[in-house]
Amino acid sequence: TQLLEQSPQFLSIQEGENLTVYCNSSSVFSSLQWYRQEPGEGPVLLVTVVTGGEVKKLKRLTFQFGDARKDSSLHITAAQPGDTGLYLCAGAGGNQFYFGTGTSLTVIP
Amino acid sequence: DAGVIQSPRHEVTEMGQEVTLRCKPISGHNSLFWYRQTMMRGLELLIYFNNNVPIDDSGMPEDRFSAKMPNASFSTLKIQPSEPRDSAVYFCASRRLATTNTGELFFGEGSRLTVL
Repeated sequence: TQLLEQSPQFLSIQEGENLTVYCNSSSVFSSLQWYRQEPGEGPVLLVTVVTGGEVKKLKRLTFQFGDARKDSSLHITAAQPGDTGLYLCAGAGGNQFYFGTGTSLTVIP
Repeated sequence: DAGVIQSPRHEVTEMGQEVTLRCKPISGHNSLFWYRQTMMRGLELLIYFNNNVPIDDSGMPEDRFSAKMPNASFSTLKIQPSEPRDSAVYFCASRRLATTNTGELFFGEGSRLTVL
């Protein structure tokens, strides 16, 4: 099992604040994905990063893949209540996806 | 287009009963995954199939769990007998098998199982 640790586990912030979520592992992954899950639903893909050092932006979300392809971060600028949800990173190995422990984000209006 | 379809959405059963969860993957997807999600352990991979063939079932917790994929459009996850510690949300996900492992996983809405 390739363990992916996410931090923080829980995060509660005010609307308009910035935040960063981390995903760390001792394993190297061929690619890494970030998903967001809302209550009562399955996770939905936000982004895939493939190259070490790669940075991708999705509106107010910025994703970075570590140079060694073992870690990743998700930065949200000016968080909004609609960003509330469980954020999961997933590392690809073989045909499997190993999911992180998750970060539960609450954005208070 | 229809997404991954799971049934039932909710199931409450008593310890010792058999539970069968069902999944219809997205048409054209040839890789199917069963995950279990709990607060304590997060999202755990139980088993996955490529082209209807089980590839890795090392995540299946015990012999009480079994999964089948008789054809490309249907899979089942069975628990017999069920125990309270099996209570969780079970997700099915599918994707198109590709040479590069960057394809998106499409999840169903999950089956919430409560074993009393």
